[in-house]
Amino acid sequence: EAGVTQFPSHSVIEKGQTVTLRCDPISGHDNLYWYRRVMGKEIKFLLHFVKESKQDESGMPNNRFLAERTGGTYSTLKVQPAELEDSGVYFCASSPPGQTNSGYTFGSGTRLTVV
Amino acid sequence: LAKTTQPISMDSYEGQEVNITCSHNNIATNDYITWYQQFPSQGPRFIIQGYKTKVTNEVASLFIPADRKSSTLSLPRVSLSDTAVYYCLVGDGNSGYSTLTFGKGTMLLVSP
Repeated sequence: EAGVTQFPSHSVIEKGQTVTLRCDPISGHDNLYWYRRVMGKEIKFLLHFVKESKQDESGMPNNRFLAERTGGTYSTLKVQPAELEDSGVYFCASSPPGQTNSGYTFGSGTRLTVV
Repeated sequence: LAKTTQPISMDSYEGQEVNITCSHNNIATNDYITWYQQFPSQGPRFIIQGYKTKVTNEVASLFIPADRKSSTLSLPRVSLSDTAVYYCLVGDGNSGYSTLTFGKGTMLLVSP
């Protein structure tokens, strides 16, 4: 079974540019989550999709971040325009329907560096 | 969600048993205790989950006392490849979904 795939693995962009991160969850996993860890901080929840619907986006830092999951398959997280404080590692995770907090599978993350 | 407290770091040698204790004094009745492991340049990986007493799987054991205000992750005979950050999480295991709240974790360094 393929795991959760994230692309790119690393991105370096200048302040003010736009970056789009992609996550391909495990097939059949209705739940898709985005998390991130900024330098020196803890891993923080950003948002949660159930299929194509946003179930909880309470962790999104501001309106420069836009997450989509068209068709309920892969998801994208766009940062526009990027700021220096957006640098960090962005993790995607997926889980099957009705999971408990043991059912997450995380991807390897995208390391975003804004210079 | 209950806040957790665990050691910042621990050192061990290959072949030793490692016990990492997590405090969660405000754990709620519906909360489960879950441990994740994270290697460098990878996402967290589920290790073990429990509600009370003892749980054991092929990777680790989890000991939870009767008051559930703490838990201990036990890794038997660690190897160099067990060097990682270990996170203790507490949350409602009965909900249809549950977002994870990570603390700072415990950095375990295993040496030869």
